[in-house]
Amino acid sequence: DTEVTQTPKHLVMGMTNKKSLKCEQHMGHRAMYWYKQKAKKPPELMFVYSYEKLSINESVPSRFSPECPNSSLLNLHLHALQPEDSALYLCASSQDTATGLNTEAFFGQGTRLTVV
Amino acid sequence: GQNIDQPTEMTATEGAIVQINCTYQTSGFNGLFWYQQHAGEAPTFLSYNVLDGLEEKGRFSSFLSRSKGYSYLLLKELQMKDSASYLCAVERTDKLIFGTGTRLQVFP
Repeated sequence: DTEVTQTPKHLVMGMTNKKSLKCEQHMGHRAMYWYKQKAKKPPELMFVYSYEKLSINESVPSRFSPECPNSSLLNLHLHALQPEDSALYLCASSQDTATGLNTEAFFGQGTRLTVV
Repeated sequence: GQNIDQPTEMTATEGAIVQINCTYQTSGFNGLFWYQQHAGEAPTFLSYNVLDGLEEKGRFSSFLSRSKGYSYLLLKELQMKDSASYLCAVERTDKLIFGTGTRLQVFP
């Protein structure tokens, strides 16, 4: 199983809503990532979890709140988002954070989020 | 900080060869990935270079020069399905950072 599964695939939410994005992998990977991708732009790193601990927060606004309940799951809780937060949110996992070995990141299909 | 630059767009003809360049400046460099991304889909892994030189994998090859901060992806015998975005990504000691991406369009 080399899949990273994200749900939902599409999400439309109002600016006052609270919603969560979910990501799951069963490859035994210990590093998981959230990326944000706007149209025709490369993915931008948001958060890195290593061994279920948040290791990197790329100065992401607090209206995005990540959570790693266990080594297979990664959530992104959303609250009071703005229309400019509309984007494709990609989850990825790798064997470990970069250690000089081939730590290929596997990506999920993403959640396309629209904030109205 | 880091800079990872690629040409924004490229076009090529079916059956031809195209080279997509990537230049980078970063600290803590471990290696460099190339990913392919079709519109609306997730990035998929193409290649990984950690040592200087050329890595060949079928129609795709990737080259790295660590001293020059330079990599390229070479696509041979182009097919229409190769129309996609190609992302170089620098593997740092702490995270994976993507370049600006190159949109390749293949014409018949």
